[in-house]
Amino acid sequence: DTAVSQTPKYLVTQMGNDKSIKCEQNLGHDTMYWYKQDSKKFLKIMFSYNNKELIINETVPNRFSPKSPDKAHLNLHINSLELGDSAVYFCASSEDRRGNTEAFFGQGTRLTVV
Amino acid sequence: DAKTTQPNSMESNEEEPVHLPCNHSTISGTDYIHWYRQLPSQGPEYVIHGLTSNVNNRMASLAIAEDRKSSTLILHRATLRDAAVYYCILRDVWGAQKLVFGQGTRLTINP
Repeated sequence: DTAVSQTPKYLVTQMGNDKSIKCEQNLGHDTMYWYKQDSKKFLKIMFSYNNKELIINETVPNRFSPKSPDKAHLNLHINSLELGDSAVYFCASSEDRRGNTEAFFGQGTRLTVV
Repeated sequence: DAKTTQPNSMESNEEEPVHLPCNHSTISGTDYIHWYRQLPSQGPEYVIHGLTSNVNNRMASLAIAEDRKSSTLILHRATLRDAAVYYCILRDVWGAQKLVFGQGTRLTINP
């Protein structure tokens, strides 16, 4: 039973398209995150939600819109995809926002924009 | 979140202990020291965390210096599966709402 699951695992799409990545956690956690790992392998936070409320938006372009229908799900919708959006996107969750809790990551979605 | 400094890469042999260092000279009193690792083509994986005392779990041990300005992740008997990038991250217990990843240490295990 996967704790944090993302779909799809791979996504190849053309520039200008709109796409969504879904994330679900079955751990009962309150906090969920989206991270981006670029070609140089740097992992950067994009968004964080706590109980469906947005608490972090790290100056991500408006083309990226997270949506949390309930606290077990955090989806990422991307409009007008650009070549530079190609990266691996990781969803994660933690029990809450405190700094002494561990985060669980999904396996990632490799997005390739052509 | 306070910054950490780690060596870019380390190498060790299978079945030998590995000591991965991390410097965090600007750590504050409420910062927890976290370690994560990322195996090839996988998402980051939690390894261990601690505040002041040394910590042990099934994966590793965390040794924290008395002044808390440095710490060491100890893998007691490395296996090939431990080859990964290891990240040392500080998180304030109340203020942190995210993990801030640095470049980490790429650990290579030789058979």
